[in-house]
Amino acid sequence: DAGITQSPRHKVTETGTPVTLRCHQTENHRYMYWYRQDPGHGLRLIHYSYGVKDTDKGEVSDGYSVSRSKTEDFLLTLESATSSQTSVYFCATKTGTQNEKLFFGSGTQLSVL
Amino acid sequence: TQLLEQSPQFLSIQEGENLTVYCNSSSVFSSLQWYRQEPGEGPVLLVTVVTGGEVKKLKRLTFQFGDARKDSSLHITAAQPGDTGLYLCAGAPTTSGTYKYIFGTGTRLKVLA
Repeated sequence: DAGITQSPRHKVTETGTPVTLRCHQTENHRYMYWYRQDPGHGLRLIHYSYGVKDTDKGEVSDGYSVSRSKTEDFLLTLESATSSQTSVYFCATKTGTQNEKLFFGSGTQLSVL
Repeated sequence: TQLLEQSPQFLSIQEGENLTVYCNSSSVFSSLQWYRQEPGEGPVLLVTVVTGGEVKKLKRLTFQFGDARKDSSLHITAAQPGDTGLYLCAGAPTTSGTYKYIFGTGTRLKVLA
């Protein structure tokens, strides 16, 4: 499977602090995604990227920003974390072939207290 | 509002029973994918359905794509405890671009021995 590394794997932070999650891939996939997973909601798309410096909003983008300065890295930033952003965050990548699968990282468990 | 609604949300059945999971949307999808997710891991692709009306079989699992490409179903015959997990449908609505992948709300299946 694609080499996708998410860091950190776990993080506990306080309300109001900035938080950055990193997704690093070694497969040169063009498309990268950030999802959050909460009970009863499956995975919800936060932001995605279709190339270096090309990003777009997903279903639940409020309170989140992203950056992709290199093909291999996709950063998710919570400018001022809130308790509602406590969740498991998954990064995923995809090749440019339409029906190819998404490759997932192992997830980041974020707790905002 | 999540564009892909799955039903049922939870399902607990005895080993050997049959079940069907539904994935519905008001949007048209060029293709739909089904994933299964185990606790603490990212989703893993089961199948991709591309053509309206298409039926694909994967051992005891049968996947169908609706004629109008707005819905899909997953049928499991003679369920086994190893089928336990979270089942997710996913796709990119044709109105949102080819690569804006969203996920359904999820169906959590538990098969009892």
